[in-house]
Amino acid sequence: GAVVSQHPSRVICKSGTSVKIECRSLDFQATTMFWYRQFPKQSLMLMATSNEGSKATYEQGVEKDKFLINHASLTLSTLTVTSAHPEDSSFYICSAYHSMNTEAFFGQGTRLTVV
Amino acid sequence: QKEVEQDPGPLSVPEGAIVSLNCTYSNSAFQYFMWYRQYSRKGPELLMYTYSSGNKEDGRFTAQVDKSSKYISLFIRDSQPSDSATYLCAMTYTGRRALTFGSGTRLQVQP
Repeated sequence: GAVVSQHPSRVICKSGTSVKIECRSLDFQATTMFWYRQFPKQSLMLMATSNEGSKATYEQGVEKDKFLINHASLTLSTLTVTSAHPEDSSFYICSAYHSMNTEAFFGQGTRLTVV
Repeated sequence: QKEVEQDPGPLSVPEGAIVSLNCTYSNSAFQYFMWYRQYSRKGPELLMYTYSSGNKEDGRFTAQVDKSSKYISLFIRDSQPSDSATYLCAMTYTGRRALTFGSGTRLQVQP
């Protein structure tokens, strides 16, 4: 099946710094990718929809200036957490759709810890 | 009220048992229903995908959808310790590709 690769799988950063997470569709083109956030023992919550070549669409309550999304190519979307704080510590997961079907493929997730 | 409700568990069963996992939802617009399995600190893996009401079987897994009751289920037969994971229901509708997830049910199958 289609593969979505997310990198890094784990990152620890200092409070106030920025962290970039990459999401790549390895064997298909994805015009749309999605970024989710998951707190411990909770569900995945949609943060934003990443659209290739245009601005991302953010869900209500998600700060667009804090969570910068760039989808510069059909196989890569990036999420940058700017000026990270401990409350941003979470599990971030991306997903992408293969244009030929309706199944969403998920990356392996990134565990962000802000100290 | 959450759009999708799912009992978080944990659910502990002996090996070989039949497991029943359930979700209820409130948005009647949902048309597509999925079950994902998520191992600790990993991304979700699709198990089952259904569109209409009724049953769909794939190996040891059976997905059931009752749109009139806004209720979906996943049954796992002959459960194995390797089935121990968190199971997430997810759903969406035509025109929306983002998924709405339940909170997940943590399953532990005891050998």
